[in-house]
Amino acid sequence: DAKTTQPTSMDCAEGRAANLPCNHSTISGNEYVYWYRQIHSQGPQYIIHGLKNNETNEMASLIITEDRKSSTLILPHATLRDTAVYYCIVRPSGSARQLTFGSGTQLTVLP
Amino acid sequence: GAGVSQSPSNKVTEKGKDVELRCDPISGHTALYWYRQRLGQGLEFLIYFQGNSAPDKSGLPSDRFSAERTGESVSTLTIQRTQQEDSAVYLCASSPMPGGSYEQYFGPGTRLTVT
Repeated sequence: DAKTTQPTSMDCAEGRAANLPCNHSTISGNEYVYWYRQIHSQGPQYIIHGLKNNETNEMASLIITEDRKSSTLILPHATLRDTAVYYCIVRPSGSARQLTFGSGTQLTVLP
Repeated sequence: GAGVSQSPSNKVTEKGKDVELRCDPISGHTALYWYRQRLGQGLEFLIYFQGNSAPDKSGLPSDRFSAERTGESVSTLTIQRTQQEDSAVYLCASSPMPGGSYEQYFGPGTRLTVT
């Protein structure tokens, strides 16, 4: 899987948008960008994924740059329950391989 | 709909005892994964089942670990002669059928403590 780079930590005020960046400059044409998060003492949670178009679901939006070398996960109205470690992963299309998480970004939503 | 469920949620056992952990995947998901996560550490892959194919056991740390899956449903992870280093949260995940996007949905985990 292509290497990703994320900031170690970020803070966000409750109710504001949280924008989490990820660099994946070595991404190849058939690789998707996936985002997961892990809230303390819980199992990881799938958030969203995309190939090259921007994606939105009930949890978040994913913005992928035109050159696909970076992306941003957007939580439009962060709540305290969104405090978690967020992981950006790049994987080939149709990959059923096991997940490997990097260090991720610790997002702390502040009241 | 129902997510991935695991039981028990917590298990305390004495060193040397055998334990069995259960995972109920999301209905219709053909792929099932077991991971281990030690305190403060990342995910450690254990085993992967996909349909009727032979499981990928490459992550099992020793022959004390084994897992089975009944068709495309329940899976059990068995640890024989438990050791203190087996203490961890054991996570199960399932994934949709081939042709889907292969996102993995995790259960809440079983916290195993070996005393």
